[in-house]
Amino acid sequence: QKEVEQDPGPLSVPEGAIVSLNCTYSNSAFQYFMWYRQYSRKGPELLMYTYSSGNKEDGRFTAQVDKSSKYISLFIRDSQPSDSATYLCAMPGGSQGNLIFGKGTKLSVKP
Amino acid sequence: DTGVSQDPRHKITKRGQNVTFRCDPISEHNRLYWYRQTLGQGPEFLTYFQNEAQLEKSRLLSDRFSAERPKGSFSTLEIQRTEQGDSAMYLCASGEYEQYFGPGTRLTVT
Repeated sequence: QKEVEQDPGPLSVPEGAIVSLNCTYSNSAFQYFMWYRQYSRKGPELLMYTYSSGNKEDGRFTAQVDKSSKYISLFIRDSQPSDSATYLCAMPGGSQGNLIFGKGTKLSVKP
Repeated sequence: DTGVSQDPRHKITKRGQNVTFRCDPISEHNRLYWYRQTLGQGPEFLTYFQNEAQLEKSRLLSDRFSAERPKGSFSTLEIQRTEQGDSAMYLCASGEYEQYFGPGTRLTVT
C-alpha cells in the first residue's frame, strides 16, 4: 500500500460546480497536510496548508482533515475554468521533512 | 523576492551526456529540496540540504547523480552519463513544512 493514495481522475465538471478532491494516507504520524495546484508543464503551487484535524478556508477553497479516518479533502466552490489543473496532496513524511505526494487528480472545469 | 527559480527550464540532451541544473531558493530559506516528477506521477524526493550540508539522499539518487549547495545559497544537480530513463521534470523547493516549488527543469534524453 502506498503511503498516500489519490484518485488520478480525470475529473470533469461544469463551471460553477462544487469540486471535491480527496486523498487517503496510511501513516498516522502525519501531522501536516498540503494541497498543491499544478498547471501543465509548471511547478506545483502551494494552495492550502493545514495542521492536524479540522477545516481551513481560503476564499473558494476549503481543506478538511479527518485524522481518525486518515482522509483529507479539498473543496472548491464556484469552480472556474482557470481552476483546471492537477491537484496534488502532500504530507511531510520523510525524516527531513521531505514531502510525500499523491499521484495528483486532473481537474477540468468546462465553461 | 520572486520565489524559487530554476535554470534551464528545458534541456534536451543525448544519452551519455552530462547535464547540470541550477536552483535559486527563496533567500531566507535554509532548507532546499530536489524532487523528480514523471508523467502522471506526483513529485518524488531526491535529496535535501540544510544550508550547505546535504543531509539526506533518496534511493532514487543513483551514483550518476550529484548535488551541491555551496555556501548555502543556490544549488546544482548534475546527472552524469544520462539515460533515457532520466527524462523527467526536476523540481527544486525551499522552505520548512511549507515548501515552495520552482518552475522545474524539464529534461529530455534522446
